Formats: sequence, C-alpha cells, structure tokens
Amino acid sequence: GAVVSQHPSWVICKSGTSVKIECRSLDFQATTMFWYRQFPKQSLMLMATSNEGSKATYEQGVEKDKFLINHASLTLSTLTVTSAHPEDSSFYICSARDLRSGGYEQYFGPGTRLTVT
Amino acid sequence: KQEVTQIPAALSVPEGENLVLNCSFTDSAIYNLQWFRQDPGKGLTSLLLIQSSQREQTSGRLNASLDKSSGRSTLYIAASQPGDSATYLCAPRGYSGGGADGLTFGKGTHLIIQP
Repeated sequence: GAVVSQHPSWVICKSGTSVKIECRSLDFQATTMFWYRQFPKQSLMLMATSNEGSKATYEQGVEKDKFLINHASLTLSTLTVTSAHPEDSSFYICSARDLRSGGYEQYFGPGTRLTVT
Repeated sequence: KQEVTQIPAALSVPEGENLVLNCSFTDSAIYNLQWFRQDPGKGLTSLLLIQSSQREQTSGRLNASLDKSSGRSTLYIAASQPGDSATYLCAPRGYSGGGADGLTFGKGTHLIIQP
C-alpha cells in the first residue's frame, strides 16, 4: 500500500516561535503533496499544493510567508509555521498522490496536532 | 468554488443495520470522488475512489455510488459493526483550481454503531 508519515505527531510551542512539520511518502514517489488544516469540528481545508522542485501553490487566504512549504524531493515535503500564534493551533494533515496509480488517489498522513501557547 | 454537504451530520444506530450516508457537491465537473473515514484525532483512511466515468465502487461491506450530473454520491454500509464508528468524509476532486486539484471536503457524518 501507499503509506504517508508525518513528524512530529504532536507539538506544543510558544507564541512567536517557528515549527516545522515533515510529510514523507514511505513507499512511493509523489511529485505532488497537499497540506490541509482542520479546526475542531470543522472540515479539512486545503492550504496549499506542494510540487517537487517548484514553488507551492497557496489557497486564497493562506499566507505564504507564514506557512513556508518546501518540497525538496519526491518523498518529502515540509511545512514551517513561522512566528506561530495561538490561532494557528490546529490539526495539520498532508497527503500525497501515488504516481504508480496514475495519481488518481490521495493518501493521507496521520496528522500533526499543533498547540501554540 | 466547490461546496460539499454531507447528510446526516451525525448518526447513531445499533449494530447490524444497513446505512446510507449522503454527499452532495455543487460543481459537477469533477475528476473523481473519494470517501474517507477519520477516527478521532487521527488522519484519513481512504475507503473508496470513484472515477467520474464510474457509477459505483465496492469494497467489502462498503458500496459507493456516484451521480455526477446531479452532484451526488452515497456510501452504503452493510451489516454495520461497532468498529465502523468514525467520521466519514466525502471529497470530490476538481480538474483545476487555485489548489491545483486538491480535494474539497464536507464536514462529514459522525457515525456511532452501538454494540
């Protein structure tokens, strides 16, 4: 199967600090990865699309200077929340498309719970 | 912009019952549609994927149908079990858009199967 991992699974940080979240496709290559955010009792909202070797595409309303995305290889994308504030506390989930299946299906990581104090 | 609505928002039934979860979407120009389950505090597990050219997909006790023209999909769960308790999400995938065909999610149906 297609497995996506995220690290860390949870993180608590102080307001004003930066936090990096990693998303890895473990057994497949993914030219495209996606970052989602989920607030309590809300649906997942797409934040940005991460393309290997190029700049990420951000959804409307998502600050690209605050949420830095780097997709350095076919198996790794990172999301850095810069100068985090309590309102950034959320559940961040990444997904990746498996090229072997034609890229039809997205596989999701287990998520990262971010709490900013 | 694609909007996804899932009905009911919550459902609690005794085990053994057959269930139907409904999903509607406003933009019928979709590439495919995926159904997921999400356990509390966890990521998403893909259940079924239906291509836009297909009308249904089956996996075990799960069957998903797609009526693209009317913007509807249903997930049928047969002989429900307590382990089926989770939030079920449907997510159509568009051809293009600001998110370069990322998925649009509904708020989900929170399902509880009583032992």
